[in-house]
Amino acid sequence: QKEVEQDPGPLSVPEGAIVSLNCTYSNSAFQYFMWYRQYSRKGPELLMYTYSSGNKEDGRFTAQVDKSSKYISLFIRDSQPSDSATYLCAMGQGGSEKLVFGKGMKLTVNP
Amino acid sequence: DAGVTQSPTHLIKTRGQQVTLRCSPISGHKSVSWYQQVLGQGPQFIFQYYEKEERGRGNFPDRFSARQFPNYSSELNVNALLLGDSALYLCASSLGHLNTEAFFGQGTRLTVV
Repeated sequence: QKEVEQDPGPLSVPEGAIVSLNCTYSNSAFQYFMWYRQYSRKGPELLMYTYSSGNKEDGRFTAQVDKSSKYISLFIRDSQPSDSATYLCAMGQGGSEKLVFGKGMKLTVNP
Repeated sequence: DAGVTQSPTHLIKTRGQQVTLRCSPISGHKSVSWYQQVLGQGPQFIFQYYEKEERGRGNFPDRFSARQFPNYSSELNVNALLLGDSALYLCASSLGHLNTEAFFGQGTRLTVV
């Protein structure tokens, strides 16, 4: 079983839709959780960073962490064509230097 | 402020050759990590350096090596290139060595032919 599982999609939605992206993980030692957005042929851009269970909101983006279920989500409200990108979840554990990434979900928002 | 900068942006090498990739972290960041991203996959951890010392190594062969300089910039070296080394190589910087809030550069796309 992989440490981090992410449905690679692709996912196609109409403009204005609410998008839900999810990752599950098996390593209970993970303590902090990130979502990155990656446009084609570019480096990942940090969107959200959380280290506790619950919700964190930033504009149209909400990150949700459920440590008891080992499940994290990213919600995008009022999705825009400019949100079309690959979304990567990443996780790390305290005292460890590396981030473990999901495969990435390719999202297309159609005008 | 400048973000993480990597050079070169693209590179084509022949099997068996050696390559050096360079990274400058965000000003004030002392930790640099290297990741390999194969097409269609998430980034895979290669190395982390903090205060010029190796702090972590991923599951990569000894052909991969790295170092960090006093100004916190870093180089990744790959010897005896294989076709399978073709990937986007990403550098990430963070304030400390635990890689919370890691910021990535644009990457170097390496093609081995």
